Amino acid sequence: GAGVSQSPRYKVAKRGQDVALRCDPISGHVSLFWYQQALGQGPEFLTYFQNEAQLDKSGLPSDRFFAERPEGSVSTLKIQRTQQEDSAVYLCASSFFQGEAFFGQGTRLTVV
Amino acid sequence: DQQVKQNSPSLSVQEGRISILNCDYTNSMFDYFLWYKKYPAEGPTFLISISSIKDKNEDGRFTVFLNKSAKHLSLHIVPSQPGDSAVYFCAAEQDSTSGTYKYIFGTGTRLKVLA
Repeated sequence: GAGVSQSPRYKVAKRGQDVALRCDPISGHVSLFWYQQALGQGPEFLTYFQNEAQLDKSGLPSDRFFAERPEGSVSTLKIQRTQQEDSAVYLCASSFFQGEAFFGQGTRLTVV
Repeated sequence: DQQVKQNSPSLSVQEGRISILNCDYTNSMFDYFLWYKKYPAEGPTFLISISSIKDKNEDGRFTVFLNKSAKHLSLHIVPSQPGDSAVYFCAAEQDSTSGTYKYIFGTGTRLKVLA
């Protein structure tokens, strides 16, 4: 596709439910990022992949958060046992290597 | 501790005038900076960037200025247009010795250009 695609656009989860958020980066992009954006805040770094290797997961807030990119293309961010504080927009971005990253539209997660 | 700060949450400017958005950072190791624009319900869109070896970068109506000694950068939009109304995020690239990197974002400034 022409840009970074994320699905679903919106997700409502009951507290305690597991969710999986998908990101299709721009074809050929080596770097992939996940960010979390709370209301009124800037995006906060979660994790970084270079191809299939997860080189930095320092921003993942707890061990309930898990990300993978098994074939170096599509990535999935999984949140287990969701809690209300997980409600946010989850943004995926990709870049060829370094330089400007291109963001998807995000997935708005609401935990009720 | 906020390493990238945008102290003005909002700014209103008349159409045709200059918009100036400011950003301060604390980490002197940052050497690459970016501005992103975000419309509601969309992801951030890259606007312009600047490397620390420069003090100015221009692209059409958008110019970014970098003052390394003051750890300050600014985005100038001239002339401002109603379509520029959006939230603007300043970001700094943080590299690590392991070869990874990430962007540290400010909290954003909401620009409203009045027709």
